[in-house]
Amino acid sequence: EAGVTQFPSHSVIEKGQTVTLRCDPISGHDNLYWYRRVMGKEIKFLLHFVKESKQDESGMPNNRFLAERTGGTYSTLKVQPAELEDSGVYFCASSHPGMNTEAFFGQGTRLTVV
Amino acid sequence: KNEVEQSPQNLTAQEGEFITINCSYSVGISALHWLQQHPGGGIVSLFMLSSGKKKHGRLIATINIQEKHSSLHITASHPRDSAVYICAVRTSGSRLTFGEGTQLTVNP
Repeated sequence: EAGVTQFPSHSVIEKGQTVTLRCDPISGHDNLYWYRRVMGKEIKFLLHFVKESKQDESGMPNNRFLAERTGGTYSTLKVQPAELEDSGVYFCASSHPGMNTEAFFGQGTRLTVV
Repeated sequence: KNEVEQSPQNLTAQEGEFITINCSYSVGISALHWLQQHPGGGIVSLFMLSSGKKKHGRLIATINIQEKHSSLHITASHPRDSAVYICAVRTSGSRLTFGEGTQLTVNP
């Protein structure tokens, strides 16, 4: 069984550009989460999908960030326009339906905005 | 102050030593996770606990719900155990709140 996959693994973009990160969860996992670690800080929650619906997007930093999960399969996280403070590692995790199930993480996307 | 505090932040040990990493939290939780991240790698879930103790190989995780404290122990440590160990708690909903992580280096 394939794990959670994220693409790209690294991205370097200039301030003001747009970047789209993709996450493919484990097949059958209704829960999909986006998290972010910025330099020197702990990993922080961004948002949670249950299938195609946004269950909780309270962690999204501002309206430059847009997450989608059309069809309830893979998810994209778009940053437009990117700012320097958006640099960090973006992790995706997925889990089976239910509140207290084990989460499986992807390798992360390292985003650098210059 | 972070809702999840880990100690120590950095830990250097000699191969074979017994290692303990601590995690304290200040909120009500439904479960606590211990995660491992190797340099340049993704995050791997080691344990998910809601009570008591779990063991997997040389790793042991314990949790005391009343004291809001968990520990991760590594017996007979090995250089390949070198990684960042992260404590995360599941609070409201199913989101995770993370500690800052403990950087463990095990020297041969």
